[in-house]
Amino acid sequence: NAGVTQTPKFRVLKTGQSMTLLCAQDMNHEYMYWYRQDPGMGLRLIHYSVGEGTTAKGEVPDGYNVSRLKKQNFLLGLESAAPSQTSVYFCASTPWGAQNTGELFFGEGSRLTVL
Amino acid sequence: DAKTTQPNSMESNEEEPVHLPCNHSTISGTDYIHWYRQLPSQGPEYVIHGLTSNVNNRMASLAIAEDRKSSTLILHRATLRDAAVYYCILRALWNTDKLIFGTGTRLQVFP
Repeated sequence: NAGVTQTPKFRVLKTGQSMTLLCAQDMNHEYMYWYRQDPGMGLRLIHYSVGEGTTAKGEVPDGYNVSRLKKQNFLLGLESAAPSQTSVYFCASTPWGAQNTGELFFGEGSRLTVL
Repeated sequence: DAKTTQPNSMESNEEEPVHLPCNHSTISGTDYIHWYRQLPSQGPEYVIHGLTSNVNNRMASLAIAEDRKSSTLILHRATLRDAAVYYCILRALWNTDKLIFGTGTRLQVFP
C-alpha cells in the first residue's frame, strides 16, 4: 500500500526559480493538506482541499499556489522561490464523513532548499 | 479556530509513565481531540483521539477532563522510541478543514 507519496523528496532551488511538489494518495480520500515545517518548529498549514476542484488558504498561504484537478493528487507550486521558503513540506490526507476515523495520513516529507 | 496549548518540552525516564497535557479551553461540543506524534526526520503519525470518554489503544491512553477543556495523553511505560514531538489538535466531526497543529511538546526519554 503506497498511502501518501510526495515527489520530489529533496530539491535545491535558486531564488526566483519555480517548482511544483506533487502529493499523490491512493486511499480515495476527499481531504488533502499541505504543511510546512521549519527547523525546530511545528507544522503550519499552507493550503488545503476538501475535494476535487476545490482549494482553500491555510495559515501561511502567501507565495504558494495549489491545484486539485484530480481527487488523488494535490499539487503545491512555488512561482518564484525565496530563501524564506526553505523548509520541509508535508502532505496529508483524510477521508470525509462516516469513513472518518480521525486519522490524518502523512507523506514522508519533501525537503526544499532555496539558495 | 479552536486552539490548543501544550508545554514546549517534557522529560521522562525509560519505563516510567508519561503524562502529556493539553489545554483547549475554547473547544466546541463537536470537536474531537486528536493526538499525533512526530519522530525525528519523519512525518507525523496518528496516536489516538476521543470526544468525551477516556480512550485506550495499543499506543497510549487519552484522559479527557469532564468539562473537556483539557486532556492528557498517557504513555504507560515510556521507551526510547517514544522520544518525539507530540501534537494535540482539535477536529470537528463533519468539518475537517483547516487542521491547525501548533508547536507541540517535545518529549525526551532518558535511559
